[in-house]
Amino acid sequence: GENVEQHPSTLSVQEGDSAVIKCTYSDSASNYFPWYKQELGKGPQLIIDIRSNVGEKKDQRIAVTLNKTAKHFSLHITETQPEDSAVYFCAASIGNNDMRFGAGTRLTVKP
Amino acid sequence: EAGVVQSPRYKIIEKKQPVAFWCNPISGHNTLYWYLQNLGQGPELLIRYENEEAVDDSQLPKDRFSAERLKGVDSTLKIQPAELGDSAVYLCASSLDLGYEQFFGPGTRLTVL
Repeated sequence: GENVEQHPSTLSVQEGDSAVIKCTYSDSASNYFPWYKQELGKGPQLIIDIRSNVGEKKDQRIAVTLNKTAKHFSLHITETQPEDSAVYFCAASIGNNDMRFGAGTRLTVKP
Repeated sequence: EAGVVQSPRYKIIEKKQPVAFWCNPISGHNTLYWYLQNLGQGPELLIRYENEEAVDDSQLPKDRFSAERLKGVDSTLKIQPAELGDSAVYLCASSLDLGYEQFFGPGTRLTVL
């Protein structure tokens, strides 16, 4: 089955700096890669996703890149703000089915 | 539009006791998921429903866990008897249909003493 690894487990940045979180996956059949943000006491919330027919996708300060050959994808957050502080999860699946999540990255943005 | 509703939000029980969690998905969502989230880990799928049918329950520990989704709307996840290792957050999610974006509820945090 699919195995997703996520790094780093914790990340601390100064407000205004960029943050990058990286994930690798094992199943070459995976074609859907969402990123979730989980705040304390809440469920994960989808913030951006990418499908295997696209190499990069951007939504305001958030971007995701995908390298199918190397089986890795990354989340980039620019101009970080304190409200970006949360736990971020990457996931991989085939068509949004049987989604496998990474272990999460706790991002702290210092004002 | 209301999101996915779960209750209770917190539950503390003694080991060997039964416990049940309830989930009300977003109106009109046909697919419902139950996930287990251990501390410091990502969610792991326990069971997925397409309407009232459980189509993927391969990760559900069937000796003590059971679930139902009567009438294809609300769902209940039960543990009987609970063990210390069951302490975790139980998340419910729903999607319009299979393959669509999943929306998560706030979860139920279970503590087994």
